[in-house]
Amino acid sequence: QKEVEQDPGPLSVPEGAIVSLNCTYSNSAFQYFMWYRQYSRKGPELLMYTYSSGNKEDGRFTAQVDKSSKYISLFIRDSQPSDSATYLCAPRTPGNQFYFGTGTSLTVIP
Amino acid sequence: EPEVTQTPSHQVTQMGQEVILRCVPISNHLYFYWYRQILGQKVEFLVSFYNNEISEKSEIFDDQFSVERPDGSNFTLKIRSTKLEDSAMYFCASTEGNTEAFFGQGTRLTVV
Repeated sequence: QKEVEQDPGPLSVPEGAIVSLNCTYSNSAFQYFMWYRQYSRKGPELLMYTYSSGNKEDGRFTAQVDKSSKYISLFIRDSQPSDSATYLCAPRTPGNQFYFGTGTSLTVIP
Repeated sequence: EPEVTQTPSHQVTQMGQEVILRCVPISNHLYFYWYRQILGQKVEFLVSFYNNEISEKSEIFDDQFSVERPDGSNFTLKIRSTKLEDSAMYFCASTEGNTEAFFGQGTRLTVV
């Protein structure tokens, strides 16, 4: 079983829609959960960082972690064309090892 | 704002040659990483480095690869005897530890 599973998409939504991006993971040692945004041929850019279970909100973005079901979500409200990118979930172990999902490709249509 | 910087942004090399990819992590960070992303594929872990030694490496990181922190600021990835399939984006990342990781903009390696 892969450490991190993520639906690669592609996902296409109209501008203003609420977007839900999800990952599942298998390693119970993961305690820190990051979401990165990656534009084509650029480095991953950190969006959100959460520790353990719960929600964290930052502007239009909300990260949600459910450790009991090993499920990670990122919600984007009022999606904009500039949100079009690949979104990567990246859980981390206490030993500072990061594991990336395959990334979900998102297109927001004006 | 502190950032991870990588040089060069693009490297073209002939098959069989050696390349060195360079990274300057954020100055107070302690953990350093190299990742690889083949075009259209997922970001793959290569190696992590802490306290001047490799802490973990993946199956990809075989004898063809080596890392070094030659001074207090640089972190390098050497690829010996490059192959066509080594063509990819190589990303360096760093973290303080128990916090988020920051990535550089990558070096695009093209092996011809």
